[in-house]
Amino acid sequence: KAGVTQTPRYLIKTRGQQVTLSCSPISGHRSVSWYQQTPGQGLQFLFEYFSETQRNKGNFPGRFSGRQFSNSRSEMNVSTLELGDSALYLCASSVTSPSYEQYFGPGTRLTVT
Amino acid sequence: GQSLEQPSEVTAVEGAIVQINCTYQTSGFYGLSWYQQHDGGAPTFLSYNGLDGLEETGRFSSFLSRSDSYGYLLLQELQMKDSASYFCAVSTNAGKSTFGDGTTLTVKP
Repeated sequence: KAGVTQTPRYLIKTRGQQVTLSCSPISGHRSVSWYQQTPGQGLQFLFEYFSETQRNKGNFPGRFSGRQFSNSRSEMNVSTLELGDSALYLCASSVTSPSYEQYFGPGTRLTVT
Repeated sequence: GQSLEQPSEVTAVEGAIVQINCTYQTSGFYGLSWYQQHDGGAPTFLSYNGLDGLEETGRFSSFLSRSDSYGYLLLQELQMKDSASYFCAVSTNAGKSTFGDGTTLTVKP
């Protein structure tokens, strides 16, 4: 089975712009979660989608949003980018929710200048 | 909310056994998972405990005590390639996963 894929792998944006990141889960996985990881920090939960519904959301401002499509692919969007949004954004898929056995993609490295 | 505590760093020698503890506070607890992350890589799933007790997967074992809100990851016969960050993660019934800040394991020859 193919693993979780994320596109793009690297992205450079300027403050004020918006960005959309994409995640394709492992075939058959219906849950997708998104995380933000900054240097020296753990993984901060952004949100989880299951069957196109957002089940839970972390403590991030409304500039961070996401969605899931009927084929379980997911996108996350960050509007009005700030310097502090520079991070590695990871998505993880699992068969079901609660997602206790998650498989991570390689991540998208976002740099905001 | 949820909170997890795990040691920030652990050092051990090849062939040794190391235990990484994790204590948590959460509502709606569903289970405790462990992930490994090498520098520059993505986290990889190691183990999951939904019920009290020990789960063994090769050289790695994980333990959970729900009454104590405590778990640990045990790594045996340490190898150099085990040098990595290890994260415990709590999942809740509501579908939220909270990760600890990670434990950096350094294995020395």
